Amino acid sequence: NAGVMQNPRHLVRRRGQEARLRCSPMKGHSHVYWYRQLPEEGLKFMVYLQKENIIDESGMPKERFSAEFPKEGPSILRIQQVVRGDSAAYFCASSPAGGFVSPLHFGNGTRLTVT
Amino acid sequence: DAKTTQPNSMESNEEEPVHLPCNHSTISGTDYIHWYRQLPSQGPEYVIHGLTSNVNNRMASLAIAEDRKSSTLILHRATLRDAAVYYCILAGLNTGTASKLTFGTGTRLQVTL
Repeated sequence: NAGVMQNPRHLVRRRGQEARLRCSPMKGHSHVYWYRQLPEEGLKFMVYLQKENIIDESGMPKERFSAEFPKEGPSILRIQQVVRGDSAAYFCASSPAGGFVSPLHFGNGTRLTVT
Repeated sequence: DAKTTQPNSMESNEEEPVHLPCNHSTISGTDYIHWYRQLPSQGPEYVIHGLTSNVNNRMASLAIAEDRKSSTLILHRATLRDAAVYYCILAGLNTGTASKLTFGTGTRLQVTL
């Protein structure tokens, strides 16, 4: 059973460009979480989605950031008009159910560098 | 939100047991205690979780105090591959975190030969 797959592993964008980060959850998992880790800092929650629905986006910046988890296909975290401060590692996690009775399974992240 | 307190760093010798403490004095009755770890350049990895009773799995043991205000993650024989940041996290309906796990700063474990 493949784990959580994130791609690309590394992404370089110039200021003002768009970044699209993809996350394929584990098979059978319908709950997806996105976290951001700035250099030398801790993991910060961004958004929690459950197939086609955003459940909690309290950690998502109000502008330029959006997330989706369509019925078919991977979850996408989209960052428009990137700035240098967006440079970070972005981690996706999945679980088969909410409530944390089941553990979260994390991918190895996408490292975004904005030049 | 219920918070956890962990030492910033700990050191251990290889092949010796490691006891990683976590204080959570404001834990509520429905909060689960979760432990994750993050190895360098990797995503977090689930280690173990429990509610009231001590728990064992292939990776570690979790000892929970009787009053649940503290817990200890036990690595029975540390190896170099156990060098990581270990996070103790509370998650339950009353923490305000029912929809997310909130990671603190964790304990950075160094393992030496």
